[in-house]
Amino acid sequence: DAGITQSPRYKITETGRQVTLMCHQTWSHSYMFWYRQDLGHGLRLIYYSAAADITDKGEVPDGYVVSRSKTENFPLTLESATRSQTSVYFCASSDYGSDQETQYFGPGTRLLVL
Amino acid sequence: GNSVTQMEGPVTLSEEAFLTINCTYTATGYPSLFWYVQYPGEGLQLLLKATKADDKGSNKGFEATYRKETTSFHLEKGSVQVSDSAVYFCALKSRVDYKLSFGAGTTVTVRA
Repeated sequence: DAGITQSPRYKITETGRQVTLMCHQTWSHSYMFWYRQDLGHGLRLIYYSAAADITDKGEVPDGYVVSRSKTENFPLTLESATRSQTSVYFCASSDYGSDQETQYFGPGTRLLVL
Repeated sequence: GNSVTQMEGPVTLSEEAFLTINCTYTATGYPSLFWYVQYPGEGLQLLLKATKADDKGSNKGFEATYRKETTSFHLEKGSVQVSDSAVYFCALKSRVDYKLSFGAGTTVTVRA
């Protein structure tokens, strides 16, 4: 029972490079989310998805791209990384139809942009 | 829009002390309220929740009551343990969509 996994767990990259963070869930949850966690800001929603091929912007989408070709995967791409995107990124999933609003979080990816 | 304000930390306590973390919210309608906990190096996990006014959520000795009149959802535990050291997040979800709004988080350290 793997649940929700993220890869890589740690990533160091340079300004201007493209980076893709992976998220995979084994529950077939309809909804998936990407958050970033920064000191003093709590978690802020980047993008979310209600189903395969349906995505929408959250609170801080600039500089990020997502796709959802399969229900279980929700990759997040930083097209041209900037230092301000240094953060901890969390993926989450939920099946609001049956689980009464709980979101389940992955272990996070720590990204450092030099 | 929706927002959550929780007390700033860090909070440092001795084992068996009483813990309170204040949380207030602003939302239209009647949101659902949550407390999530993040242990060191891990993702967030749901600690407890309440979906309507006067509901009390409880888990692992923690409690929080949904107070509509004061728009609050304060977290309490009567006797903390070292294993309760973590970051605690208050969050809300409105009835009209499925997004969560989080507070900034409160770091709690319990010393033996």
